[in-house]
Amino acid sequence: EVQLVESGGGLVHPGGSLRLSCTPSGFRVDDYAMHWVRQAPGKGLEWVSGTNWNRDSTGYADSVRGRFTISRDNDKNSLYLQMNSLRPADTAFYYCARARGRWLQPIQFDYWGRGTLVTVSS
Amino acid sequence: NFMLTQPHSVSESPGKTVTISCTRSSGNVASNYVQWYQQRPGSSPSTVIYEDNQRPSGVPDRFSGSIDSSSNSASLTISGLKTEDEADYYCQSYTNNIGVFGGGTKLTVL
Repeated sequence: EVQLVESGGGLVHPGGSLRLSCTPSGFRVDDYAMHWVRQAPGKGLEWVSGTNWNRDSTGYADSVRGRFTISRDNDKNSLYLQMNSLRPADTAFYYCARARGRWLQPIQFDYWGRGTLVTVSS
Repeated sequence: NFMLTQPHSVSESPGKTVTISCTRSSGNVASNYVQWYQQRPGSSPSTVIYEDNQRPSGVPDRFSGSIDSSSNSASLTISGLKTEDEADYYCQSYTNNIGVFGGGTKLTVL
């Protein structure tokens, strides 16, 4: 059974950093493109970042480019999101999502985690 | 980049049919696949339509998707509405390695 479990969320001050992790079961992260999607409380979904199966192609939303970095560790079968220079507007549930295929495009998701909450506040 | 615009909310009675629209602001809607996700309160999103009109296994055939180049929009149609269909629905597409979501539509089945 495919499952995705996010971790690493929490409360952080503006300007701080946080690293989110996503550990899947039922498949290997190096067999699929992987993405992060966020949702501010009570708001809609926002695509954040994605990477293809062999890490040679990544994408970022304009709102996070230059501050967030997506990566994966194939040995640990995990996906990460390093978030720096955090802002209150980054407060959201962060979901890890598996793509349907290996490549960054088409961007589409078939499995989602339950999310981890990041709160940026002083 | 383009935007995807959805109605904020729609409502319909059980057993009826509802259609949710998703209009692309620029570029051709047929150039990049459109997906639709259902999100019930307190749950993660799940796919109901991918690649414009494909249903994942387990999604009932009451759900269907289409695109219309003349209006540059995609549509999600749910027939034979059930109370369990009450949820938020999001369309999603992409371009140049960037994902784009619509703002979401709250479906009320009353």
